[in-house]
Amino acid sequence: GENVEQHPSTLSVQEGDSAVIKCTYSDSASNYFPWYKQELGKGPQLIIDIRSNVGEKKDQRIAVTLNKTAKHFSLHITETQPEDSAVYFCAASISGTASKLTFGTGTRLQVTL
Amino acid sequence: GAGVSQSPSNKVTEKGKDVELRCDPISGHTALYWYRQSLGQGLEFLIYFQGNSAPDKSGLPSDRFSAERTGGSVSTLTIQRTQQEDSAVYLCASSPQPRGQSDTQYFGPGTRLTVL
Repeated sequence: GENVEQHPSTLSVQEGDSAVIKCTYSDSASNYFPWYKQELGKGPQLIIDIRSNVGEKKDQRIAVTLNKTAKHFSLHITETQPEDSAVYFCAASISGTASKLTFGTGTRLQVTL
Repeated sequence: GAGVSQSPSNKVTEKGKDVELRCDPISGHTALYWYRQSLGQGLEFLIYFQGNSAPDKSGLPSDRFSAERTGGSVSTLTIQRTQQEDSAVYLCASSPQPRGQSDTQYFGPGTRLTVL
């Protein structure tokens, strides 16, 4: 089955700097890659997703890139703010099947003032 | 509109007892998922319901775990004879479209289960 690895496990950046989180996946059939943000005591919230027919997607300060050949995808957050502090999870699934998500182990992002 | 809701938010039980966790998906969502999140870990898929199709139970860790979805809406996850390793946050998600048409999953706040 699918295996998703995520790095780093923790990331500390200063406010205004950029943050990059990287994930790799094992199943070349995976074609849907969402990113979730989880704040303490809450469920994960979708922040951005990308499908395998595009290489990059951007939404304001958040962008995701996908390299299908290398089987890796990354989350980029620019101009980080304290409210960006949370745990971020990447995930992968195969669209058209059960669409169950396989998650990475998470990155705890801390944005310091 | 209302999101996915789960109850209870917290559940403390004794080893060996049965527990039931409830999920109310977003109205109109046809797909429903259960995941488990152990402390400091990622989310582990448990079970998936899609309309009237047979559920995908491939993620259930043992036969002590079961789930049902009544009327295509509310779902209940049941854990029998709970063990300490069952302690985790149990998350429910729903998705608006039949399989293959939309993969966006919306999560509830979870139920934190503690087995003493």
